[in-house]
Amino acid sequence: GQQVMQIPQYQHVQEGEDFTTYCNSSTTLSNIQWYKQRPGGHPVFLIQLVKSGEVKKQKRLTFQFGEAKKNSSLHITATQTTDVGTYFCAGLPDTSYGKLTFGQGTILTVHP
Amino acid sequence: IAGITQAPTSQILAAGRRMTLRCTQDMRHNAMYWYRQDLGLGLRLIHYSNTAGTTGKGEVPDGYSVSRANTDDFPLTLASAVPSQTSVYFCASKETGGNTEAFFGQGTRLTVV
Repeated sequence: GQQVMQIPQYQHVQEGEDFTTYCNSSTTLSNIQWYKQRPGGHPVFLIQLVKSGEVKKQKRLTFQFGEAKKNSSLHITATQTTDVGTYFCAGLPDTSYGKLTFGQGTILTVHP
Repeated sequence: IAGITQAPTSQILAAGRRMTLRCTQDMRHNAMYWYRQDLGLGLRLIHYSNTAGTTGKGEVPDGYSVSRANTDDFPLTLASAVPSQTSVYFCASKETGGNTEAFFGQGTRLTVV
């Protein structure tokens, strides 16, 4: 079945440093979504990537979708303490029906 | 306010007892999901439903059952709880067609003792 692997599991950074988390799928994805979960909260949608090689930006966050549509990355430039939380990628194998499968998540800690 | 609601928020349950976690959404989404979240393992899909009347197994379905009698409700039942089912459970919903985001409930923290 479809598997979505995410690395690293944990990342500790000093405020102002950059951060990247990577997501790899065992199968080709129709699209990939990224979510953020604040400590004690629930996952909240950040963005969706659909096209091969797509790059999207949200302020200090940059999201990429691989050419083969099997991998993705989230990069945060100059982290802030408000960035702390767990970042998840989630893949769908097709556009209509299917299991929304999440990666294991990357727990980001930002030290002031 | 439109959204997705889970109940209870937390529960301590004796092993062997039966428990149903409730999930209701008012967004008329066709797809609904149940995940469990455990440290280091991320969000693992238990069961899902693409539309009312249909359900499917996720990656960790054993010990759990679901039903989808209507669009709004997607209860998760633990027939006979075991300590390994101690976890935080999240219900989510989304539209099935196109590229749409999933909305999550606030979660249910379940402890089986």
